[in-house]
Amino acid sequence: DGGITQSPKYLFRKEGQNVTLSCEQNLNHDAMYWYRQDPGQGLRLIYYSQIVNDFQKGDIAEGYSVSREKKESFPLTVTSAQKNPTAFYLCASSTRGRGGTDTQYFGPGTRLTVL
Amino acid sequence: QKEVEQDPGPLSVPEGAIVSLNCTYSNSAFQYFMWYRQYSRKGPELLMYTYSSGNKEDGRFTAQVDKSSKYISLFIRDSQPSDSATYLCAMSPYTSGTYKYIFGTGTRLKVLA
Repeated sequence: DGGITQSPKYLFRKEGQNVTLSCEQNLNHDAMYWYRQDPGQGLRLIYYSQIVNDFQKGDIAEGYSVSREKKESFPLTVTSAQKNPTAFYLCASSTRGRGGTDTQYFGPGTRLTVL
Repeated sequence: QKEVEQDPGPLSVPEGAIVSLNCTYSNSAFQYFMWYRQYSRKGPELLMYTYSSGNKEDGRFTAQVDKSSKYISLFIRDSQPSDSATYLCAMSPYTSGTYKYIFGTGTRLKVLA
C-alpha cells in the first residue's frame, strides 16, 4: 500500500532532550513537509523540502531541524531550544500534478508531550 | 487579520441534514482551494480540491469557490454520523515553485444520529 508513515504515534520527552520524529513515504513524491497543529490554530509549516538534500524553513522553524538524505524520508528533530514543543506533528508529501499545482497528503501524525 | 478565517464550531446537525462549511480569505492571489477532513487524533484526509471559481461535486460533497467574494464552501448532503470530524480548508497561490498552503483553523462538525 502506498502512503505516508509516521513514528512513533505517541512520544514523551523530558525537558532539555532532543527527539527525532520519523516520516517515510513510498508515494515517490518529490516534496515533503512538516507541520505543527495546536488546538484552535491552523496547521503551521515548520520545514519543507522540494528535493533531496535541500530544505527550506517554514513559518515556525526555530527550535527544529530536518534532513533530507533520501527521497522517501524526512525526519524532524525537536531540539531543546523549542520552547513549547508539546503538539501534534504532521508530515505530508506532494508531487507536482497536472497544471503545475501540487496536492499534499498527510501521514497519521505524532503526538509529542514534554513532561 | 488572518489570511484564512474559518468558524471553529462546533456545528451540530441531525443525521440527513445538509451541512454548509465555509472559509473566507483575504489574499486575492489564492487560486487553488482544498478541503480536508480530520478525525480526532488522525492526520487530515484530502476530500476535494478546486481551481479558481466554480463548483465541483463528488458524491455527497460539493465544493464551491467564489473568488469575487473571497469565500469558499463545502456542502455535505445527507450527512451521516460518520461525517463527524473537523473540516479544514486550505489554499495556495498557483505560482511556479511555490508549495506553501495556508490552512484554516478547522470547523468541528457533529452529526447526531
